[in-house]
Amino acid sequence: SQQGEEDPQALSIQEGENATMNCSYKTSINNLQWYRQNSGRGLVHLILIRSNEREKHSGRLRVTLDTSKKSSSLLITASRAADTASYFCATAGNDMRFGAGTRLTVKP
Amino acid sequence: NAGVTQTPKFQVLKTGQSMTLQCAQDMNHNSMYWYRQDPGMGLRLIYYSASEGTTDKGEVPNGYNVSRLNKREFSLRLESAAPSQTSVYFCASRRSRGFDGYTFGSGTRLTVV
Repeated sequence: SQQGEEDPQALSIQEGENATMNCSYKTSINNLQWYRQNSGRGLVHLILIRSNEREKHSGRLRVTLDTSKKSSSLLITASRAADTASYFCATAGNDMRFGAGTRLTVKP
Repeated sequence: NAGVTQTPKFQVLKTGQSMTLQCAQDMNHNSMYWYRQDPGMGLRLIYYSASEGTTDKGEVPNGYNVSRLNKREFSLRLESAAPSQTSVYFCASRRSRGFDGYTFGSGTRLTVV
């Protein structure tokens, strides 16, 4: 079974707006990672947050982690059309388990 | 460029045929993984190899076998392909099982008719 579950399944916004995606998971983790997948391509690693961290930034990305609620969120600020992709969270224990993803569409 | 290389990119098989998907990485990573991705679903782990010489089953290993040929190469074999194995297959690697992200290949789109 999949470990991470993203919400919403799909999100459509205008360029310049912020996009927030959420991830819930079920068991204890070492870290949680977010990936982006452009249509027809492989996944690209965006950011990793360790279980003892609460927030992390990378450029326009902000990730939070709440281990008590077993949830994480990914915020993309000032979105661009090029951010259109599917975004997956993945939890790392002995191996990596992925959710079904959030399909983000950024309209120019 | 450094990364994960998968071959072939596309393949059509008839039910019952066999084939091997190849994966190679040139980043000196220890761990390698095979995932499948079906429409509307995330990636499901088929098999992984935490280090050279070891392999372990993931979520959906039935119908597949793997070989960790050396540190660079990790192949996935379908002995008798079935339509249910129609999917996009991704190989990934990472340096260790610690706090590293995965590097993914570009995928193999397999259709079984």
